Amino acid sequence: EQQVQQSPASLVLQEAENAELQCSFSIFTNQVQWFYQRPGGRLVSLLYNPSGTKQSGRLTSTTVIKERRSSLHISSSQITDSGTYLCAMEQDQGGRALIFGTGTTVSVSP
Amino acid sequence: DAGVTQTPRHEVAEKGQTIILKCEPVSGHNDLFWYRQTKIQGLELLSYFRSKSLMEDGGAFKDRFKAEMLNSSFSTLKIQPTEPKDSAVYLCASSFWTGEVFFGKGTRLTVV
Repeated sequence: EQQVQQSPASLVLQEAENAELQCSFSIFTNQVQWFYQRPGGRLVSLLYNPSGTKQSGRLTSTTVIKERRSSLHISSSQITDSGTYLCAMEQDQGGRALIFGTGTTVSVSP
Repeated sequence: DAGVTQTPRHEVAEKGQTIILKCEPVSGHNDLFWYRQTKIQGLELLSYFRSKSLMEDGGAFKDRFKAEMLNSSFSTLKIQPTEPKDSAVYLCASSFWTGEVFFGKGTRLTVV
């Protein structure tokens, strides 16, 4: 069973459009972290969001722990936003290793 | 660069060989993680250390995979013996207690 589900699996945007990526968990978690990865690139931490809403530039993450979900909003998308967005949760019961979703691949075209 | 450093960046091994991948976490971080990334399985946890003590060991990987923390600033992942199905990107990451997790650039392993 996939403990972290992400949707959609892929997304095509026109430059300047907004996007909402979703992440849901099958078990309780203390915190959520969103990552970004270009093909062949390093996993880059975007937002570390234990709960509530957190913003960094054009990215806004909203996590509702009790509902076991988190979302990442990308506003005014740019071509350089293209890549894979991964959601990861930290398990609540012992251990801290992050469990990752399978990602949302975003493609932004001019 | 004060981030997580992984070496080598690329490794080609013949089936049956022993390979050792290296990782230097961010200075001061006390949590260290090893993950494997493939297109099909995504990111899978191999090992997790806290203050050099092994906290989690990915069950499916216990057989031929062994991670060690020789000191707080250096870790190795040994794969012995390698098999073609081990071809993947191996990622090391670190964090400070309950803080953000930071990843290295990874080692791309090809087993032929």
